[in-house]
Amino acid sequence: EVHLVESGGGLVQPGGSLRLSCSASGFTFSAYAMHWVRQSPGKGLEYVSSISSEFSSDGVSTYYADAVKGRFTISRDNSKKTLHLQMSSLRAEDTAFYYCAKSRASGNTYVYFDSWGQGTLVTVSS
Amino acid sequence: EVVLTQSPGTLSLSPGERATLSCRASQSVSSSYLAWYQKKPDQAPRFLMHGASVRATGISDRFSGSGSGTDFNLTISRLEPEDFAVYYCQQYGSSPLTFGGGTKVEIK
Repeated sequence: EVHLVESGGGLVQPGGSLRLSCSASGFTFSAYAMHWVRQSPGKGLEYVSSISSEFSSDGVSTYYADAVKGRFTISRDNSKKTLHLQMSSLRAEDTAFYYCAKSRASGNTYVYFDSWGQGTLVTVSS
Repeated sequence: EVVLTQSPGTLSLSPGERATLSCRASQSVSSSYLAWYQKKPDQAPRFLMHGASVRATGISDRFSGSGSGTDFNLTISRLEPEDFAVYYCQQYGSSPLTFGGGTKVEIK
């Protein structure tokens, strides 16, 4: 059974940084693209970032939503089956539950999310 | 960017009734690359369907998806108590990936 557990959320001041992690189990982590999706309080789901598998036709590549491009960095450690999201220059509008999600493909294109973690809350406030 | 508009915003129904949720795209969704998710408070989103009509493993056949191009529907044939939740559509046919704003199915 696929299991995704996020950690690292918390309260951070505007302009600050935070690193989220997602520990994966129950599947061959290195074979699949992994993603972050967020949900602000009272709002809908919003795509954040993706990282492909090394088995993707283009190798490991990353993709970011415009709202976070240049501020967030996604990475993965296949040996530890862990996904990361380094967030910097945080803004109030980044306040949200951040979900780690798995897709069925190795690449970043044409992806939907077949497994999700429980999420970790990031609050950006002074 | 493909904008997905879900309607209605809220659907008030009784258990046993049929629910029809709409997801309309601002431009054609290529190859019907549309997925549906269920979200309950304090729970992870649950994957329901991909390719507009292909149910995920373990999803009840009370859930069915239809549509193509710009108009898609999710139908729940007979609402069970556990079906009351918020439902989101997502297109994955073009970049960036986008979600609809959600439809809340609440108990009448």
